[in-house]
Amino acid sequence: DQQVKQNSPSLSVQEGRISILNCDYTNSMFDYFLWYKKYPAEGPTFLISISSIKDKNEDGRFTVFLNKSAKHLSLHIVPSQPGDSAVYFCAASAMGYGNKLVFGAGTILRVKS
Amino acid sequence: SAVISQKPSRDICQRGTSLTIQCQVDSQVTMMFWYRQQPGQSLTLIATANQGSEATYESGFVIDKFPISRPNLTFSTLTVSNMSPEDSSIYLCSVRPSTGELFFGEGSRLTVL
Repeated sequence: DQQVKQNSPSLSVQEGRISILNCDYTNSMFDYFLWYKKYPAEGPTFLISISSIKDKNEDGRFTVFLNKSAKHLSLHIVPSQPGDSAVYFCAASAMGYGNKLVFGAGTILRVKS
Repeated sequence: SAVISQKPSRDICQRGTSLTIQCQVDSQVTMMFWYRQQPGQSLTLIATANQGSEATYESGFVIDKFPISRPNLTFSTLTVSNMSPEDSSIYLCSVRPSTGELFFGEGSRLTVL
């Protein structure tokens, strides 16, 4: 039972354009959402998060949008840079589940120069 | 944030043997976790490493297969016992300081022949 889904296994974007990575979840108890970036041979690194009380959080080139009614969140990267090429994982947690993180399968982003 | 060191970073093992992975954190943390990332799949929580008591395992993971030690608040080990090729994965140690996000080590890439 995949509670967090990233339906696009890969995405290719031109440098300077916007990258939009999508994530859907099924458990309405989730109240905290995070995005992680992972380069090959490295552990995932935290990118940005959003609480369910918000619908948008911005940090530099990265913005996360949350649509609770649709159980959908997205990560926008503007402008995209070749160094952004990595695997991006969406994750969710709920206080009622001990705050354990549930991860999506990841989306490979390739930014072409 | 937290700096997490894992050893070994990679290893090739024979079927039926066991391997112990070490995780060292540069500060005391209460919450420490072990994750697995099988090829092409998401990060799956194996267990929560509890200091001074038995680890808490997720559904599908058992202590006999993945014994965990947590002797203090900065160190933990995960052993993968009686390995088979299906255990070939990246094993990741992670910690959660007081903030909501998880910090990950670089991972230990295990290949079982």
